[in-house]
Amino acid sequence: GENVEQHPSTLSVQEGDSAVIKCTYSDSASNYFPWYKQELGKGPQLIIDIRSNVGEKKDQRIAVTLNKTAKHFSLHITETQPEDSAVYFCAARITGGGNKLTFGTGTQLKVEL
Amino acid sequence: GAVVSQHPSWVICKSGTSVKIECRSLDFQATTMFWYRQFPKQSLMLMATSNEGSKATYEQGVEKDKFLINHASLTLSTLTVTSAHPEDSSFYICSASRQGTGRNYGYTFGSGTRLTVV
Repeated sequence: GENVEQHPSTLSVQEGDSAVIKCTYSDSASNYFPWYKQELGKGPQLIIDIRSNVGEKKDQRIAVTLNKTAKHFSLHITETQPEDSAVYFCAARITGGGNKLTFGTGTQLKVEL
Repeated sequence: GAVVSQHPSWVICKSGTSVKIECRSLDFQATTMFWYRQFPKQSLMLMATSNEGSKATYEQGVEKDKFLINHASLTLSTLTVTSAHPEDSSFYICSASRQGTGRNYGYTFGSGTRLTVV
């Protein structure tokens, strides 16, 4: 089955700096890669996603890049703000895999003032 | 946008009792519901997948007789933890997805249920 690795597990940045979180996946049949933000005691919220036919997608301060050859994708947050502090999860979905998402292990992002 | 309502948000129950968690898609029809369990500081672990009107498909290691899933309609799925034990204490999260002709509309997560078994 699919295996998704995520790094780093914790990330501390100064307000205004950029944050990058990286994920790798194992199954080349994966075709959809969402990123979720989870605040304490809440369910995950989709912040951005990318499909396998696209290399990059941007939404204001958030961007995701996908390298299918290397089987990795990254989340980029620019001009970080304290409210960006949360746990971020990457995920991957395999075509024909029952539409199941396989999640990475999560990154605790802390934006310091 | 798509909204999934999950209830209760937290529940405390005694060992040996059963607890039901509900997940409703408010403004769309969920063809598939996913149920996850999340332990503190860990990732989401898929427990089972259910399609409306069908029996749920459970992941390896998840006891189907203990975690009963019902997906009787396109807007409601329930997870019942039967004969709960302290080790079942966890954060349970549902996720709903819908599919159209040749298109997948993504996944919407509920707000989660904190279950504590005492």
